[in-house]
Amino acid sequence: AQKITQTQPGMFVQEKEAVTLDCTYDTSDQSYGLFWYKQPSSGEMIFLIYQGSYDEQNATEGRYSLNFQKARKSANLVISASQLGDSAMYFCAMREGPRAGTALIFGKGTTLSVSS
Amino acid sequence: GAVVSQHPSRVICKSGTSVKIECRSLDFQATTMFWYRQFPKQSLMLMATSNEGSKATYEQGVEKDKFLINHASLTLSTLTVTSAHPEDSSFYICSARDHGSYGYTFGSGTRLTVV
Repeated sequence: AQKITQTQPGMFVQEKEAVTLDCTYDTSDQSYGLFWYKQPSSGEMIFLIYQGSYDEQNATEGRYSLNFQKARKSANLVISASQLGDSAMYFCAMREGPRAGTALIFGKGTTLSVSS
Repeated sequence: GAVVSQHPSRVICKSGTSVKIECRSLDFQATTMFWYRQFPKQSLMLMATSNEGSKATYEQGVEKDKFLINHASLTLSTLTVTSAHPEDSSFYICSARDHGSYGYTFGSGTRLTVV
C-alpha cells in the first residue's frame, strides 16, 4: 500500500486564485511529520511547510497553509494568491517516527501550472 | 541555515564508465545521508541510507555493487554509479539529516546521462 497518495497528477489555476493540492497518508505511527516540497524544473527541492502529528494548529508559512485532518489522514496544501512562479511539481512527504532518523517517503507529485 | 553542496550538477558519461556524485554538508555534521533517484515526472525513490563510518543500507531492488555509497566523514557522502548504462540515466539527489527544526537538507541534485 502506498504511504503517501497524491491523486492529482496535474492542476491548473489562474494567477491570484487559490489552489488546493491533495495528499493522504498511511501510517500506524503515532508520531510522524508531514512535509510539502516544491520542485521547479531545475530539480532542487524547496521546503515549503511542515506539520507534526501532534501539532494542534494547521501550519502556515506565508501563502502556504496545510489543511491537516488527522482522523482522515489528509494533509492538503493550500496556496493562496497563486503566482506564475508557483508553476512547478509539488511533493507531499512523510517522516515516520518522532525524529529525522528515517528517510522521507514521497508521493508521486502534482504538477501545478499557473496561467496569467 | 544548513547547506548541502552536491556535485556535479550535470554529468554525461559513456556506457561502461563510472561516475561519482558528492554531497558535502557545509555547516553541519551529517551523520546520516539519504540518496534518492528520480525519473522524469516521477517521485523521489529512496535508494539507500548511509551513516557515517558504517555500511549503507540499500532499499530492496537497488544493486549495492552498482551503486556504491561511501560516507567516510561527517561532512562527505559519495554515490558512485559503476559500469553505468543508459538505463541508469536519472536525477540523483541526496538529503542529509540535520538538527534544525525539520531535520532534512537536500542537495541540489545531479542529472546523469549515460550515452
